[in-house]
Amino acid sequence: NAGVTQTPKFQVLKTGQSMTLQCAQDMNHNSMYWYRQDPGMGLRLIYYSASEGTTDKGEVPNGYNVSRLNKREFSLRLESAAPSQTSVYFCASRGTAPYEQYFGPGTRLTVT
Amino acid sequence: RKEVEQDPGPFNVPEGATVAFNCTYSNSASQSFFWYRQDCRKEPKLLMSVYSSGNEDGRFTAQLNRASQYISLLIRDSKLSDSATYLCPSGGSQGNLIFGKGTKLSVKP
Repeated sequence: NAGVTQTPKFQVLKTGQSMTLQCAQDMNHNSMYWYRQDPGMGLRLIYYSASEGTTDKGEVPNGYNVSRLNKREFSLRLESAAPSQTSVYFCASRGTAPYEQYFGPGTRLTVT
Repeated sequence: RKEVEQDPGPFNVPEGATVAFNCTYSNSASQSFFWYRQDCRKEPKLLMSVYSSGNEDGRFTAQLNRASQYISLLIRDSKLSDSATYLCPSGGSQGNLIFGKGTKLSVKP
């Protein structure tokens, strides 16, 4: 099992460009999450999907959109990138009780 | 008060030492607690779930104190490979994890 995979690993964008971060899990989990991690801060929830076909905002959703394409895949889109979105983005999926989460390797995004 | 608070450290300890971290959480409704470790520039990796009765996994022991709203992690016989940042997220209302900033551990030869 690959667990949670993310692409790309690194990306540099100019302000105003758009891109989609891809995430897939092969653990048959219902719930998936997108977090961002900034230096010196804890991970913060951007969006989540409790099940296929549903998505909801987290703590810091502004400037992002998501798509739960199917049970395996959950993508994060930046429509018009801003320097404040420079961060490391982690995707995670959640197992059954005790509901631990498994993280992908992350995407390091720099917006200039 | 922040939802999850941890001493950022760093904790600098020699190999073989025993080290303990505490973590306090503010949401008394939280039902799930975990310890993760995060190596530099890598993803958080699950170390162990924390159960009400306390649990042990090899050199690692986790405790939960609901009355005082804190969890703890004890690492015995520290190894160089234990050097990492330790995270203690609690379960949020959206099924997400709420993270603090983590505690940095550095184990020295």
